[in-house]
Amino acid sequence: QLQLKESGSGLVKPSQTLSLTCAVSGGSISSGPYSWTWIRQPPGKGLEWIGHVYPSGSFSYNPSLKRRVTISVDKSKNQFSLKLSSVTAADTAVYFCARAPDAFDVWGQGTTVTVSS
Amino acid sequence: EIVLTQSPGTLSLSPGERATLSCRASQSVSSSFLAWYQQKPGQAPRLLMYGASSRATGIPDRFSGSGSGTDFTLTISRLEPEDFAVYYCQQFGSTLWTFGQGTKVEIK
Repeated sequence: QLQLKESGSGLVKPSQTLSLTCAVSGGSISSGPYSWTWIRQPPGKGLEWIGHVYPSGSFSYNPSLKRRVTISVDKSKNQFSLKLSSVTAADTAVYFCARAPDAFDVWGQGTTVTVSS
Repeated sequence: EIVLTQSPGTLSLSPGERATLSCRASQSVSSSFLAWYQQKPGQAPRLLMYGASSRATGIPDRFSGSGSGTDFTLTISRLEPEDFAVYYCQQFGSTLWTFGQGTKVEIK
């Protein structure tokens, strides 16, 4: 059974770079026509798609975050990563990784990232 | 950007009642690219429906989805205690994937 697990810095200072990794287990990140996605949820608010990457390395980002986001895949480690630069308090959220064939069918448990000095 | 507007914001119902949740898109979305999720406090969302009307694995048949174009509906035929949660619609029909703002189904 495919499982996803987020890890990374839980506390980031303003203007620094948020870095998260999603480890994929129970299956290969290279198999199937899947996109590997990052989604976030600010406290008490709804869901926001950040962007996704395919095993080929092609990607798509939310235009509102595009200038600050990098999503990459590491097939050798069976994981994918998110970097978000120049963070502010508005980037405080629970960050989820997910897999999408035709919908987000597998999710990680989420990891809380707080931006604070 | 395709904006998804969900209504109502909150639905107050009793167990056993029928819940009807609406998701309206600002422009037409292929039904193939419309999904619904359920989220409970402190948990990740769970996929309920994909392709507007196909139930995901393990989802009970009291959940059903319908709609096309700009109007989509999620129906819960008889609410069970575990169904009280927040529900989100989501579209993949454009380059920018978007979610609705959510409908909270609460116990009356």
